[in-house]
Amino acid sequence: QQPVQSPQAVILREGEDAVINCSSSKALYSVHWYRQKHGEAPVFLMILLKGGEQKGHEKISASFNEKKQQSSLYLTASQLSYSGTYFCGPSGCGAGSYQLTFGKGTKLSVIP
Amino acid sequence: GAGVSQSPSNKVTEKGKDVELRCDPISGHTALYWYRQRLGQGLEFLIYFQGNSAPDKSGLPSDRFSAERTGESVSTLTIQRTQQEDSAVYLCASSFRENYGYTFGSGTRLTVV
Repeated sequence: QQPVQSPQAVILREGEDAVINCSSSKALYSVHWYRQKHGEAPVFLMILLKGGEQKGHEKISASFNEKKQQSSLYLTASQLSYSGTYFCGPSGCGAGSYQLTFGKGTKLSVIP
Repeated sequence: GAGVSQSPSNKVTEKGKDVELRCDPISGHTALYWYRQRLGQGLEFLIYFQGNSAPDKSGLPSDRFSAERTGESVSTLTIQRTQQEDSAVYLCASSFRENYGYTFGSGTRLTVV
C-alpha cells in the first residue's frame, strides 16, 4: 500500500526549516528518500536501513522509527536548490519485497 | 554506462498501436525497476527485475503491459494496443542490489493520441 506523506506542499523562505513525514500501514524494513525537480528524474538522497537510524546529506537528514512505521525528513536552513518534490519509498524484506512503493510526494518550494 | 539510459526520450503513438520502451541500466546493477508517472502525480510501481527474473509483476496495470530483461542488462517494457490513459512518463531505475539506492533514467514520455 502507498505510504502517506505530509504535508502535501510547503513553501519556505531561504534559511527556514521544514519536516516531511512519511507513514506506512505495513511493516517496514527500510525507507528511501528521493527528490525530483520539475521535468527531471528523481534523485536518490538517502536510505535508512534500521529502526532509529538517522542519516544526513548536506543539511538534509532523516530518521526512521520502525515501531511507528514512520520516517521523517528534516531540511535545515533551506536553500533555493532544495526546491522540488520529495518522495519517500518504504520497502519490505525478503525476495520480491524490496521494490519501493512511493508516496504521492511533498512539493517543497523555497523562495528568496 | 555512467547512468541509466532510456530510449526513446519521447514517443507519440496512435491509439491501438504497440510501443516498446527500452532501458539500459548501469553496468553491474542487478536490480532494475519500471515506474509510471502521470502528469503531476507520484511514482506508480510497475515491475522489477532481480537479474533476469521478475519477482513482482503485480504493478502491471493490465495484460497489455509486459516486460523482459535479458543478459542481466537491457530491459524492454512493451505496451500493446495503447490507450490514451497510458500516456505518462515511464521511468526506469537500477540499483546495485535489491534495497540499494536507485538511479533513475530520464524517462520516456509517451503520448497516445
